[in-house]
Amino acid sequence: DAKTTQPTSMDCAEGRAANLPCNHSTISGNEYVYWYRQIHSQGPQYIIHGLKNNETNEMASLIITEDRKSSTLILPHATLRDTAVYYCIVRAGGGTSYGKLTFGQGTILTVHP
Amino acid sequence: DGGITQSPKYLFRKEGQNVTLSCEQNLNHDAMYWYRQDPGQGLRLIYYSQIVNDFQKGDIAEGYSVSREKKESFPLTVTSAQKNPTAFYLCATQQGGTDTQYFGPGTRLTVL
Repeated sequence: DAKTTQPTSMDCAEGRAANLPCNHSTISGNEYVYWYRQIHSQGPQYIIHGLKNNETNEMASLIITEDRKSSTLILPHATLRDTAVYYCIVRAGGGTSYGKLTFGQGTILTVHP
Repeated sequence: DGGITQSPKYLFRKEGQNVTLSCEQNLNHDAMYWYRQDPGQGLRLIYYSQIVNDFQKGDIAEGYSVSREKKESFPLTVTSAQKNPTAFYLCATQQGGTDTQYFGPGTRLTVL
């Protein structure tokens, strides 16, 4: 799986959009970009994933650059409950990828009032 | 409701005792995983199982054992051979034909 690079920490004001970047310059053609988050003392929570098109669900939007070397997770209206560590993971797709998810250090997002 | 259940949330054991952590799922997912997380660290894979009665070692399987007798259950036993068992243990599931893993709430094991 390709390696990812994320900023160590970010701050965001409550009610504003949180934009979390991720670099994955060595991503392969069949690899998807996944985002998870982990709130303190809880299990990681799946947020969203995508291959090359932008994706949106009830939690967030994922914007992937055309060259696929980077992506941005957008939380449109951050709340205090969104304070967590956010992980960007690149993983082979096709429905055949079993085995470990490799979590890096992630980005600590702090949402403040 | 349900999804992935891990019980108990907190577990305390004396050194030298074996302990079994429970993971149950009602998602009908084929694959199940056990990870370990230490403070400030990423997740490390202990064991995983793609189908009933079959499982594979992960990166840190020494001192642990698992069984997969039923699709919905994947218990993890932490044996006395595990040198540093105190950690946060996470169970995950994955539906066959997809690549997304979903995690349970975790069990925090403390060995005294």
